[in-house]
Amino acid sequence: KNQVEQSPQSLIILEGKNCTLQCNYTVSPFSNLRWYKQDTGRGPVSLTIMTFSENTKSNGRYTATLDADTKQSSLHITASQLSDSASYICVVSARGSQGNLIFGKGTKLSVKP
Amino acid sequence: GAGVSQSPSNKVTEKGKDVELRCDPISGHTALYWYRQSLGQGLEFLIYFQGNSAPDKSGLPSDRFSAERTGGSVSTLTIQRTQQEDSAVYLCASSQGLAEYNEQFFGPGTRLTVL
Repeated sequence: KNQVEQSPQSLIILEGKNCTLQCNYTVSPFSNLRWYKQDTGRGPVSLTIMTFSENTKSNGRYTATLDADTKQSSLHITASQLSDSASYICVVSARGSQGNLIFGKGTKLSVKP
Repeated sequence: GAGVSQSPSNKVTEKGKDVELRCDPISGHTALYWYRQSLGQGLEFLIYFQGNSAPDKSGLPSDRFSAERTGGSVSTLTIQRTQQEDSAVYLCASSQGLAEYNEQFFGPGTRLTVL
């Protein structure tokens, strides 16, 4: 069964610190993996998208990694800011799925001053 | 418009009533998706429309749920005889083509509460 598992479920860090969120998936055949940021009361916003051949991609202070062999991805946030407080969702697409994306449950990040 | 819009932003209804949720996708986007996000759960795919093709309804949880997309633009998700378990945030997203290859842009969602 195609699944996406994220950890931790929630995380609290102090402003200015770094953190890493994890995503494991069993989706096959793999097409691409995305990380979204979802602020409370808003729809998800795309941060990165990576295909099979890409193992790292950055978007400002956000850096995503992908290991397609172990089917793992991580999202590293550098020098966290209060505005980083949100849910971070890992989403995997299967090849030929025509858009039926598999969503993780998300990691809820709280950045405290 | 500049982004995907949804209305209403909040809807409170009584069990057994019908509700209609509206989605206005980004102009020119051929693909439109509906998802449901229950508390503490990941997004659950409901249905998608791609151009003039027949919609993929494989995610609809019951025959009480239906959706239309008129003129390849605006979409309406209808839930008949609402139940308390239908309470969730309903998100709409659009993309230039099928979401497997194209970035999805999400609306802010409609929070549905069934009393």
